[in-house]
Amino acid sequence: QSVLTQPPSVSGAPGQRVTISCTGSSSNIGAGYDVHWYQQLPGTAPKLLIYGNSNRPSGVPDRFSGSKSGTSASLAITGLQAEDEADYYCQSYDSSLSGHWVFGGGTKLTVL
Amino acid sequence: QITLKESGPTLVKPTQTLTLTCTFSGFSLSTSGVGVGWIRQPPGKALEWLALIYWDDDKRYSPSLKSRLTITKDTSKNQVVLTMTNMDPVDTATYYCAHAYYAIFDIWGQGTMVTVSS
Repeated sequence: QSVLTQPPSVSGAPGQRVTISCTGSSSNIGAGYDVHWYQQLPGTAPKLLIYGNSNRPSGVPDRFSGSKSGTSASLAITGLQAEDEADYYCQSYDSSLSGHWVFGGGTKLTVL
Repeated sequence: QITLKESGPTLVKPTQTLTLTCTFSGFSLSTSGVGVGWIRQPPGKALEWLALIYWDDDKRYSPSLKSRLTITKDTSKNQVVLTMTNMDPVDTATYYCAHAYYAIFDIWGQGTMVTVSS
């Protein structure tokens, strides 16, 4: 069971907007630690998608955006494309147990 | 261009010790803020952070695996080594190393699959 909770799956039709939530607690997201998002295409290594809650690395389309509020964070994808079908993971830092990094359980995005 | 590549055995027996090497290029592990982390992913399951070593030799471990893990770096060889003792079939997974800038894993290796079986 992951420290950061994500919905197991979300889906949307091409062109639509979807959001993926990442819910934490007062020892991680709620403590002010940044949230980062990764995209994992089938059979490949994860790729950094969003860092520092809402920043996109060079090369990531602006269809992808991130936000954070309280003990939760969200990843939004607009103008959904077939190539966006992948697993998405959030990541943050948790101050419990001397501090450690944690990932969410992952969300499978299906483009209908 | 930053690249990382994991290497090590593909099959280990239960109770054995796993040693994985991450060989990297395109950055120095002497640069302030830079680290190399290890993350694993069992088949069909989520990512799990294992360990991280920083430029100043600060080492961090997953609390649940701390007693079994050791991470070291060889800056001159551009390598980071992770050892995990007392391997069990539940440790079967793809093991990734990744370049870290503070807490951000921004570049990942391709991963190496390790199976634990007798």
